[in-house]
Amino acid sequence: EVQLVESGGVVVQPGGSLRLSCAASGFTFDDYAMHWVRQAPGKGLECISLISWNGDTTYYADSVKGRFTISRDNSKNSLFLQMHSLRVEDTAFYYCARSSLQLWPADFWGQGTLVTVSS
Amino acid sequence: EIVMTQSPAALSVSPGERATLSCRASQSILSNLAWYQQKPGQAPRLLIYGASIRATGIPVRFSGSGSGTEFTLTISILQSEDFAVFYCQQYNKWPLTFGGGTKVEIK
Repeated sequence: EVQLVESGGVVVQPGGSLRLSCAASGFTFDDYAMHWVRQAPGKGLECISLISWNGDTTYYADSVKGRFTISRDNSKNSLFLQMHSLRVEDTAFYYCARSSLQLWPADFWGQGTLVTVSS
Repeated sequence: EIVMTQSPAALSVSPGERATLSCRASQSILSNLAWYQQKPGQAPRLLIYGASIRATGIPVRFSGSGSGTEFTLTISILQSEDFAVFYCQQYNKWPLTFGGGTKVEIK
């Protein structure tokens, strides 16, 4: 069974840092590019970062560029999102998702982890 | 950035009826368009990619059409489990961008 399980979401103060993880199982992890997509409560979807199957190519939305870093460890079937200089507007559910190609729709998503940035 | 605009924002439909959802891109995206369904408290589910190709396990009542800048998702006979929010997404260029969503509600 394919599974993506996000973790690391907590309440953090503005300006703080946080690292999200996504544990993958049930498929060959390094056959897939991986995405981080976020959704503010009650709002729409925003694709904020993408990483190629081997980690050589990364993409960032302007809203997070310079503050967030995507990475992966294929030996541990894991995806990460390091977040710095967090802002109130970063409050959202963060989903990891996979796609068979880099610029391609995500065919499976995790259930998300909630990051709340608040003082 | 390619802006995706969905219409209508909400649609009230009776079970058994047809629903037609629209999505417009601010520039040509060829056929690089996907549709997702999201139910409350759940992650999005991929329905359609390549504008018209159903993803694995998606019922035939879901169909997509269009190319360039104008796209349509049709749900031919709405079932109770279909009521949700639907998003289109372009994957022609980074950043991958979503429309604002169409909420399909029970009439």
